Amino acid sequence: QPVVTQEPSLTVSPGGTVTLTCGSNTGVVTRGHYSYWFQQKPGQAPRTLIYETNNKYSWTPARFSASLLGGKTALTLSGAQPDDEADYYCLLFYSDVGVFGGGTKLTVL
Amino acid sequence: EVQVVESGGGLVQPGGSLRLSCGASGFTVTTTYMSWVRQAPGKGLEWVSIIHSGGGTYYADSVKGRFTISRDDSKNTVFLQMNSLRHEDTAIYFCSGGRYESWGLGTLVTVSS
Repeated sequence: QPVVTQEPSLTVSPGGTVTLTCGSNTGVVTRGHYSYWFQQKPGQAPRTLIYETNNKYSWTPARFSASLLGGKTALTLSGAQPDDEADYYCLLFYSDVGVFGGGTKLTVL
Repeated sequence: EVQVVESGGGLVQPGGSLRLSCGASGFTVTTTYMSWVRQAPGKGLEWVSIIHSGGGTYYADSVKGRFTISRDDSKNTVFLQMNSLRHEDTAIYFCSGGRYESWGLGTLVTVSS
């Protein structure tokens, strides 16, 4: 099974910008991996922010965006708010089988 | 309102079986993807299985051959039959509908003697 890698932890200042990345040990991440990004706060179910590389849901705050960047998929948060402090997970698909990254603990400080 | 609700979790001995249910409302499970994702205590998310609208099913390597995803169209419900359970299957099991736009609160499965 492929391995999906994320930064274990990142810190961003309130109002600042941070980019979380998601890579694959099989090579370049493409649109064919149908990547997703999720936010999870302690004790809560995940909330999906991005689907299929860079598509947002109606509830996705405008300060979140996603793209393919440097062979990875990336989630960018512009104008971080204290409420954005959470764990963030990416999900990649390999021929219909999903693999989550290990998650990034984002601190807003 | 689009909603999914999981049920069926509990305590089971190693080697035992359990069937989880995911009831959907506000949409029809046969028209979209339905997935199971789990999270072991203090750990990250792990993708478990998916059933496509066309009926195709796919599994993580860690559960292939032991877990079976299925659906009952008349009940608008998706199931996860879990056999040969192991300690490492202990987790909260979440059901998610569509392109992961709806999530349940999860149901806890504990595998222990």
